[in-house]
Parts: sequence; C-alpha cells; structure tokens
Amino acid sequence: QVRLVESGGGVVQPGRSLRLSCAASGFSFSNYPMHWVRQAPGKGLEWVATISSDGTTLYYPDSVKGRFTVSRDNSKDTLYLQMNSLRVEDTAEYHCARTNAISTGPWFDPWGQGTLVSVSS
Amino acid sequence: QSVLTQPPSVSGAPGQRVTISCTGGSSNIGAGYDVHWYQSLPGTAPKLLIYGNNNRPAGVPDRFSGSKSDTSASLAISGLQPEDEADYYCQSSDTSLSDLYVFGTGTKVTVL
Repeated sequence: QVRLVESGGGVVQPGRSLRLSCAASGFSFSNYPMHWVRQAPGKGLEWVATISSDGTTLYYPDSVKGRFTVSRDNSKDTLYLQMNSLRVEDTAEYHCARTNAISTGPWFDPWGQGTLVSVSS
Repeated sequence: QSVLTQPPSVSGAPGQRVTISCTGGSSNIGAGYDVHWYQSLPGTAPKLLIYGNNNRPAGVPDRFSGSKSDTSASLAISGLQPEDEADYYCQSSDTSLSDLYVFGTGTKVTVL
C-alpha cells in the first residue's frame, strides 16, 4: 500500500525555522520525484517545492525561494522541507505528494494527510 | 498564487448533474498541459479524481468525468451523491519555472 506520512509541524514564531519530514512506504521511493504542496486555512492549494528522484534538481515558487529547501534521503525513504525565515503567511497544512515525472504535465498521487505549521508571535 | 480560476461554489440536489469550470491561460492549459482534478475533504489528504483531462483512477465512480478545450477544462458530476459534498481543485503545469505547477482557486460543491 502506497503511503506518505508527514511530521514535524507545530507552532513557531516569525523568523524562526522548522523542518518537516515525509516518510514514504509501499513503493520504490528513489524512482519518483517528490513535492510539497500547502493549503493555508480557508485557502486553496499552493505548490511549494519539487525535487527530482535523485535529489539533484530542485524547483521552488518565488514565494518560498531562498527561504525553503527541499531534500531527500533515498536510503531512508524520506523527504524533507527545511523552512527558514518563516512568515505569518506560511501558516498552512503542508502535504507531501508524489508524481511520475516533473516536466510532462504530471499529476499528484498519492498525497499525505498533512502536517500543520502555524507561524505566530 | 492560484493561476487557474474556478467558481467559488456550485450546488445541486441528489441525482442532479453539476459542472465545475477551470479557466487558465496560454502558459498552462493553453500550452497543451493536461488538467487534473482533486477532491479535498477537511482533515484528509486530497484525492486524485481525474488525471490527464478525462481519465479516472481505479476506484473513482464513473459519475465523475472531465474534459478540456483550449485554455479551460471542466469537471462534471452526474447523479450527485451526498458524499460528493467537498472542495474540488483543478491542477495543471505551467511554462514558468517559478510556477511549475498551478492549482485552481477551488470550488465548494454543496448537495442540497
């Protein structure tokens, strides 16, 4: 059974850091690109980060570029998101998700249940 | 930032048919990228509903169907069921590397 489980969320002050993890199981993790997608309270879905299957190619939207870093440990079947200089507007449920490719119009499936990050003073 | 535009809400009685539109532009849907649809319920992982414009994953009822034309796409739910009450999002890719994947603004479906 393909499964993604996020952890590491919590309450943090603006300007501080947090690292999220996503544990994968039920598939060959090292063969797939992985992604982070977030959903702020009452808002829609927003793509946050992408990493290639071998971890050498990374993509970010302008909203997090320079502050967030996506990485992976294929020996541990785990995806990470290091979030620095957090802002109130980063408050959201963060989901990890898998695709079969990066640049050919792929879809996200499956998704993890999410971990909540709340940035507040 | 949502780049694809959806109506905020649609509603229908059980058994009726509802459609959700998803409007993009020349850098995403109009560039030839496929459109995918997800169902989102509070506290749960988003679920893939339609991929590649009009394909259903195993286990998704055939009352869900998708289509795409030019710079827009649509999701249709036929024979609306109470369990279909949820938020629905379209998604595509974009030619901009800073907007690699784009989502719709989301549509709340209410079963009357």
